[in-house]
Amino acid sequence: GQQLNQSPQSMFIQEGEDVSMNCTSSSIFNTWLWYKQDPGEGPVLLIALYKAGELTSNGRLTAQFGITRKDSFLNISASIPSDVGIYFCAGQNNNNDMRFGAGTRLTVKP
Amino acid sequence: NAGVMQNPRHLVRRRGQEARLRCSPMKGHSHVYWYRQLPEEGLKFMVYLQKENIIDESGMPKERFSAEFPKEGPSILRIQQVVRGDSAAYFCASSARGPSYTEAFFGQGTRLTVV
Repeated sequence: GQQLNQSPQSMFIQEGEDVSMNCTSSSIFNTWLWYKQDPGEGPVLLIALYKAGELTSNGRLTAQFGITRKDSFLNISASIPSDVGIYFCAGQNNNNDMRFGAGTRLTVKP
Repeated sequence: NAGVMQNPRHLVRRRGQEARLRCSPMKGHSHVYWYRQLPEEGLKFMVYLQKENIIDESGMPKERFSAEFPKEGPSILRIQQVVRGDSAAYFCASSARGPSYTEAFFGQGTRLTVV
């Protein structure tokens, strides 16, 4: 089956620092999605990417769809305490089938 | 426009009982995905359904687990004869058809506890 490798598994950063995480896959995806999950809640969609090479921003978040269509990264600039949570990447293929990475657990120290 | 609705939010079952988890997709969405999440772990794919069709059930255990998405009504994930290892959070997501509308939105999950 399709495997997504997400890294790093966890990050501990100071408030104000920038954050970068990425996902790689053995398969090509047509859509990359980035989600954030707070404790006890369902994942919330942050950014969706539809074209290879696409770079999309949502406030302090920036994500890119890799040229090979097998990878994506998410950057968070000037982190704040409420950025704490688990960030998941997800890849979607032609059939709308969707697979998730294992998540990056972000801790922001004030 | 209500989001993806899952119920119940919390479900406690004794070993051997059946668990039924419901997911009502967002209005206009005809694709539903079910995922399982253990504490401190990521989302593990279980099954992907469209109305009246199972598209991909490669993540579903071969026994005791089944899913449906009827023409009318919510999608149901059924777990028969539950065991302690079934305790987890179960999330569903829904999406609409078409290359411009492939974002999937999640419900708040059902937390199943087997005692």
